[in-house]
Amino acid sequence: LAKTTQPISMDSYEGQEVNITCSHNNIATNDYITWYQQFPSQGPRFIIQGYKTKVTNEVASLFIPADRKSSTLSLPRVSLSDTAVYYCLVGDNYGQNFVFGPGTRLSVLP
Amino acid sequence: EAQVTQNPRYLITVTGKKLTVTCSQNMNHEYMSWYRQDPGLGLRQIYYSMNVEVTDKGDVPEGYKVSRKEKRNFPLILESPSPNQTSLYFCASSPTGSNYGYTFGSGTRLTVV
Repeated sequence: LAKTTQPISMDSYEGQEVNITCSHNNIATNDYITWYQQFPSQGPRFIIQGYKTKVTNEVASLFIPADRKSSTLSLPRVSLSDTAVYYCLVGDNYGQNFVFGPGTRLSVLP
Repeated sequence: EAQVTQNPRYLITVTGKKLTVTCSQNMNHEYMSWYRQDPGLGLRQIYYSMNVEVTDKGDVPEGYKVSRKEKRNFPLILESPSPNQTSLYFCASSPTGSNYGYTFGSGTRLTVV
């Protein structure tokens, strides 16, 4: 499984756009990139998944460059309720062992 | 509502007293998994199951047992709990072992004294 590296923490202010980058230098051809969000004492929740280029849904956008060795989760106009830990996972869609790294702790300030 | 249900949400027990944490999903998912989460260590996988009667060890299986006799249920068994198993536990399921649609339960906070 491809190892991922993310910043441990980030701070932002309400209304700003937040970009969290994940490095995955040894990503395999069949691997997808998936992001999860976790609030304190709750289970992680799926946010978005992509394979290449750009994916957008009602919550976030995911940018993946051509070499796929990194990806960026973009949260538009964050609010206080977006304060959470964000995890980047890399693996094929038939993986058996999903490895969650330490994630990025995002703090949104008023 | 599609969900993964864990019980109990909170449990305090004594060292050595066998306990079971139940997990049930209503989405007909083939894949189920257990994680524990500890401060500074993130989410670590304990066991997973690709289908009925098929289970395998994750990263931290010592001290735990699981069974998968039915598709919807995946109980976590601690035969002789110890204080180092005090943790927040999550059960999760997905359709085919896929990263996509990986659904987590609400968690079980276990304290072993």
